[in-house]
Amino acid sequence: DAGVTQSPTHLIKTRGQQVTLRCSPKSGHDTVSWYQQALGQGPQFIFQYYEEEERQRGNFPDRFSGHQFPNYSSELNVNALLLGDSALYLCASRGTGLYEQYFGPGTRLTVT
Amino acid sequence: GQQLNQSPQSMFIQEGEDVSMNCTSSSIFNTWLWYKQDPGEGPVLLIALYKAGELTSNGRLTAQFGITRKDSFLNISASIPSDVGIYFCAGQSPGGNNRKLIWGLGTSLAVNP
Repeated sequence: DAGVTQSPTHLIKTRGQQVTLRCSPKSGHDTVSWYQQALGQGPQFIFQYYEEEERQRGNFPDRFSGHQFPNYSSELNVNALLLGDSALYLCASRGTGLYEQYFGPGTRLTVT
Repeated sequence: GQQLNQSPQSMFIQEGEDVSMNCTSSSIFNTWLWYKQDPGEGPVLLIALYKAGELTSNGRLTAQFGITRKDSFLNISASIPSDVGIYFCAGQSPGGNNRKLIWGLGTSLAVNP
């Protein structure tokens, strides 16, 4: 049973560029959440997708957008990258009616 | 945004010692989750708690959902070097299961062999 997978593992971008991160949820899970984790900090909630719609959103600007596909996989897009966007981006999935979230290994984004 | 108060912030202990950490909130939660995160990796779920007063074990780990529903603790018995990492608590407030998790800032654990 595959767990949550994310790609790519690492990414280096320059300021002003755009980036797309990808996530495949754990088998049987239909809800995907994205988090940003800066070094030494806890995960910060970006948004959650269920049934291909954004259901909840944290305090992140519109530069952060997402998408969920019919197969429940998800993408996180960040436009006009800033140096402060450098972080570990985590994807977590859970099943309908369940509270337990399972995390992927993360994508380490470095903005130079 | 809302955050949990997690303490201690860091711990440095000898192998074989027991460890205790806790999280408190100003509002009630209906779910408490405890995660461990190794450097550069995603958090791994250790224990999930759903009822006030619930005490759940996972090997050497034991966690409890506080009676007031505003706190939770995690104990690790007989620590070993692989227990090193950052432990996070996360809670979900009542209001449907689409509500986002609220996270503590983590407890960094170091174990001296």
